[in-house]
Amino acid sequence: SQQGEEDPQALSIQEGENATMNCSYKTSINNLQWYRQNSGRGLVHLILIRSNEREKHSGRLRVTLDTSKKSSSLLITASRAADTASYFCAFNDMRFGAGTRLTVKP
Amino acid sequence: DAGVIQSPRHEVTEMGQEVTLRCKPISGHDYLFWYRQTMMRGLELLIYFNNNVPIDDSGMPEDRFSAKMPNASFSTLKIQPSEPRDSAVYFCASSLGGGGNNEQFFGPGTRLTVL
Repeated sequence: SQQGEEDPQALSIQEGENATMNCSYKTSINNLQWYRQNSGRGLVHLILIRSNEREKHSGRLRVTLDTSKKSSSLLITASRAADTASYFCAFNDMRFGAGTRLTVKP
Repeated sequence: DAGVIQSPRHEVTEMGQEVTLRCKPISGHDYLFWYRQTMMRGLELLIYFNNNVPIDDSGMPEDRFSAKMPNASFSTLKIQPSEPRDSAVYFCASSLGGGGNNEQFFGPGTRLTVL
């Protein structure tokens, strides 16, 4: 199936630390997107990286894409308690994996 | 724009009853997606439409589920008859363009409880 697999499943860090989560996939992609979901709410788009891009930044977010390894990573720098959420990757037909549950402790 | 609108926000019904969930996508968006989210199965893509036409309904769990999009501004997801295992949060999302090339906008979801 065309859905990514996020890793780790859960991540707990202290406020101010960086958080890195990964997405692996098996098919060829045009673009890859990252989304955030706060508990009980709809997903919110964070960033889109195209297949010909290797790195993209948006505020405290940094996304990398390695098409040879079929993987992407999302780095959140200087994390805040408000970053506590689940993070998902998606591409092509927009199927989502299980996500990474990030907890940022104040 | 008010974003993607879903109704009702909460629905509690008894097993065997018909349930209809509604979605109004963002004006001008040509793709509409229905998802179901549970703790056990995560976020599942049920069906998506392009220009009101169903493109992929392979995620629809069984014949009890049906979805329609009679026009560009309205879609329904119907469950008949409902069962307790259908309890979940159902999300609708829309986008301008498909293929993962454009941002999806999600609605707030409908929390369905089937007793």
